[in-house]
Amino acid sequence: DILLTQSPAILSVSPGERVSFSCRASQSIGTSIHWYQQRTNGSPRLLIKYASESISGIPSRFSGSGSGTDFTLSINSVESEDIADYYCQQSNSWPTTFGAGTKLELK
Amino acid sequence: QVQLQQSGAELVRPGTSVKVSCKASGYAFTNYLIEWVKQRPGQGLEWIGVINPGSGGTNYNEKFKGKATLTADKSSSTAYMQLSSLTSDDSAVYFCAGGNYAGSAMDYWGQGTSVTVSS
Repeated sequence: DILLTQSPAILSVSPGERVSFSCRASQSIGTSIHWYQQRTNGSPRLLIKYASESISGIPSRFSGSGSGTDFTLSINSVESEDIADYYCQQSNSWPTTFGAGTKLELK
Repeated sequence: QVQLQQSGAELVRPGTSVKVSCKASGYAFTNYLIEWVKQRPGQGLEWIGVINPGSGGTNYNEKFKGKATLTADKSSSTAYMQLSSLTSDDSAVYFCAGGNYAGSAMDYWGQGTSVTVSS
């Protein structure tokens, strides 16, 4: 199975700051990476698909980049509603796998 | 709008089975695959398997073969996941999610169903 390593485990930010989440795959997966946000006691919500494709209804401050093994999700200017866990998922190889997540918290 | 409505929380005895439902609305049921994902308390997400509601075809994570059985009823636009021989390791929140095709992102998610296995 492809292992996705997310770092850091916890990110502390102040509102208005730019933040980046890292996701590294154990082998090349092209751009078959998707990003999800999960608020406390909520369901995951798709933010970005195929590394950089935007999703209808998702604020434009969210963006994604990367290919091969290294991927990044960025939030341009963090808002309080962005406090959540963020997961990456690869769909290049069966079975699909998720990273362990990065928790975004406010300073 | 697309909605996936899951059944309510379950408290079940070890060794028994439980069946979780996921009712789809707002789209043609056979247009999306239904995937199932497990999340243990405080943990990450784990893919269980996927069903194609149109054909009934399934694909399982090897880890969940023999544990999970996925079915779908086109007449009621509802997908089901049965978990058997339950142990405390099966205590988790289970999500259903909709994806366009095999290998796609999971565009839509149910609200989750909590399953607690306890005597």
